[in-house]
Amino acid sequence: QVQLVESGGGLVKPGGSLRLSCAASGFTFSDYYMSWIRQAPGKGLEWVSYISSSGSTIYYADSVKGRFTISRDNAKNSLYLQMNSLRAEDTAVYYCARDAYPGMLPNWFDPWGQGTLVTVSS
Amino acid sequence: EIVMTQSPATLSVSPGERATLSCRASQSVSSNLAWYQQKPGQAPRLLIYGASTRATGIPARFSGSGSGTEFTLTISSLQSEDFAVYYCQQYNNWPPRTFGQGTKVEIK
Repeated sequence: QVQLVESGGGLVKPGGSLRLSCAASGFTFSDYYMSWIRQAPGKGLEWVSYISSSGSTIYYADSVKGRFTISRDNAKNSLYLQMNSLRAEDTAVYYCARDAYPGMLPNWFDPWGQGTLVTVSS
Repeated sequence: EIVMTQSPATLSVSPGERATLSCRASQSVSSNLAWYQQKPGQAPRLLIYGASTRATGIPARFSGSGSGTEFTLTISSLQSEDFAVYYCQQYNNWPPRTFGQGTKVEIK
C-alpha cells in the first residue's frame, strides 16, 4: 500500500540545522509532486515547501525561504528537507505529503506521512 | 495569498446529530477545495476533494458542497469516530496551498 514515513526530527538549538527524510513506498515516487507541511503544537496546518516530480520546480513558504531546502532522490524513493538557521517558531510536527494524482494540477494532498517532531529550543 | 476562514472554531454536537462546518475563501477558488480530518496524534486524512467528491473509503455521511468562495462540509449523523478537527484547503491559486485554521467537532 502507499506509505510515507518521515524521520530525522529531534531537539535542536536555535540557529542549528536538521535534515528530515521521507521514505516513500507503494507507488512510483518519481511520478509525483511532493510537499512538506508542518503543524506547530496545538496549531493548524502550514504548507512549507513543494517539489515537482523531477525536482526542477520548487516553491517555499515565505516563512522558511532562504533557510530550508527541499530535495528528492527518485532512485532512493526519498524526499528531504534540509532546515538551517532554525528558530523557536519552526517547532512543529513536519509531515510529508504526496499530490493525489501524478502530473496533474491543481492537486490536493493524499496521502500524508505520520509526521516527525522538530523541537527548536535551547 | 488566498486566506481560508473556517467557522465555527468549535462545534459541539451530540452523537447522531448533523454537523455543518463552513469554509470561506478570500477570493474564488472555483471547486478546487479539499477537506481533511485530523484526530489527536494522527496525520490529516483526506475526506473530500473537488469540493464535493468523497475520497476512497470515506463514508457517505460525509458530504461537501459549494464553489467559488463559500464551502460546506456536512456530517449527516455524527458517529463517535467523527469527533476530530476538520481543515479545509484550497489548491486553486498556489503557492501556497492554504489551509483554514480548523474546526474542532466535540461531543456535546
